[in-house]
Amino acid sequence: ELKVEQNPLFLSMQEGKNYTIYCNYSTTSDRLYWYRQDPGKSLESLFVLLSNGAVKQEGRLMASLDTKARLSTLHITAAVHDLSATYFCAALDTGTASKLTFGTGTRLQVTL
Amino acid sequence: NAGVTQTPKFQVLKTGQSMTLQCAQDMNHNSMYWYRQDPGMGLRLIYYSASEGTTDKGEVPNGYNVSRLNKREFSLRLESAAPSQTSVYFCASSYRGRRGEQYFGPGTRLTVT
Repeated sequence: ELKVEQNPLFLSMQEGKNYTIYCNYSTTSDRLYWYRQDPGKSLESLFVLLSNGAVKQEGRLMASLDTKARLSTLHITAAVHDLSATYFCAALDTGTASKLTFGTGTRLQVTL
Repeated sequence: NAGVTQTPKFQVLKTGQSMTLQCAQDMNHNSMYWYRQDPGMGLRLIYYSASEGTTDKGEVPNGYNVSRLNKREFSLRLESAAPSQTSVYFCASSYRGRRGEQYFGPGTRLTVT
């Protein structure tokens, strides 16, 4: 059974600082997704990582995937308040119909 | 292009009442999903439908039933609501291609008293 763990669960960081969110998964998966959720809203797709070594960047966010280590990271560079949200990673359950298993989420709070 | 739509947005039920949550997508996606989101637990899959005419249980199916009415619509039914089913429910859909990312609806906030 695929399990996905994220850490930290809560992250308070100052504007301008850098930090990384980690996403570990328990069994083989060759696709990893990152989503953003604002309070009271739905989930918005940020990144789709399709292969080992994949790196995607959008603004101050960069995501990477290491399938051998079963690890994905979401790196935040020079955080700004607008990045405050909850971030979820999800791994594809291999052999199923695009079934995803989600981590419990990381609540990011960027303070001045 | 509305994406994934869900109705209703909010609902309050008494224990034992039944209701159906509706979901529709206009992206011609093959697969559709129902999740529930509870504080501190992320999203948990209730049921999914890989393609029109098929449905399968997810992680937490007890107390729920689903119907894939056609390619566009996937409904979730609570036959006898319980307080433990108080949650936010999200419907999602995806295309069975290489990317396979799921697109989410706005959610239904359900309270069972």
